[in-house]
Amino acid sequence: TAGITQAPTSQILAAGRSMTLRCTQDMRHNAMYWYRQDLGLGLRLIHYSNTAGTTGKGEVPDGYSVSRANTDDFPLTLASAVPSQTSVYFCASSVLLAGEQFFGPGTRLTVL
Amino acid sequence: SQQGEEDPQALSIQEGENATMNCSYKTSINNLQWYRQNSGRGLVHLILIRSNEREKHSGRLRVTLDTSKKSSSLLITASRAADTASYFCATDQYSGGGADGLTFGKGTHLIIQP
Repeated sequence: TAGITQAPTSQILAAGRSMTLRCTQDMRHNAMYWYRQDLGLGLRLIHYSNTAGTTGKGEVPDGYSVSRANTDDFPLTLASAVPSQTSVYFCASSVLLAGEQFFGPGTRLTVL
Repeated sequence: SQQGEEDPQALSIQEGENATMNCSYKTSINNLQWYRQNSGRGLVHLILIRSNEREKHSGRLRVTLDTSKKSSSLLITASRAADTASYFCATDQYSGGGADGLTFGKGTHLIIQP
């Protein structure tokens, strides 16, 4: 079982460019999440989705957008990247919102 | 804003000793969870304790919850080198529209010296 996968593993991106981070889960979980992890700040929720077709804003949503067209996929898009978006991005899923979460391996993004 | 805050930020102990990490939170919760993160990897769920529970065990892990003090502790007994990792507490958090997922603390970095 793959669980939850993310792509790419890492990326260097020029400021002003757009990028989509991909996340796919095969556990048929209802809820999915995107976090960013920065040194000294822990994990901060960017966006979440409690079921296909719905999304919500987390603690730090500005500069990011998400969509949830189906149960399995939850892409995160940076429309115009800025250096402050340099971070490690984790996707996660759970059966229920606020339940046990399963994390992907992360995407390390550097915006120059 | 951060809901959970772990203490200490870093902890270094000898293999075989017990490790205790604490978590404090601010608002009422339905459950509290602990996660482990090995360097460069995603988080792994360890244990969930509900607000009506006071203690829970899983193998060498023991979690306590004191809702009156809004705090939790994670005890790892007979530590091993493989326990070296960062440990995070996470709490659920409800807004007027419903659950908003989990809020994570900044973590405790645990180092087990062989």
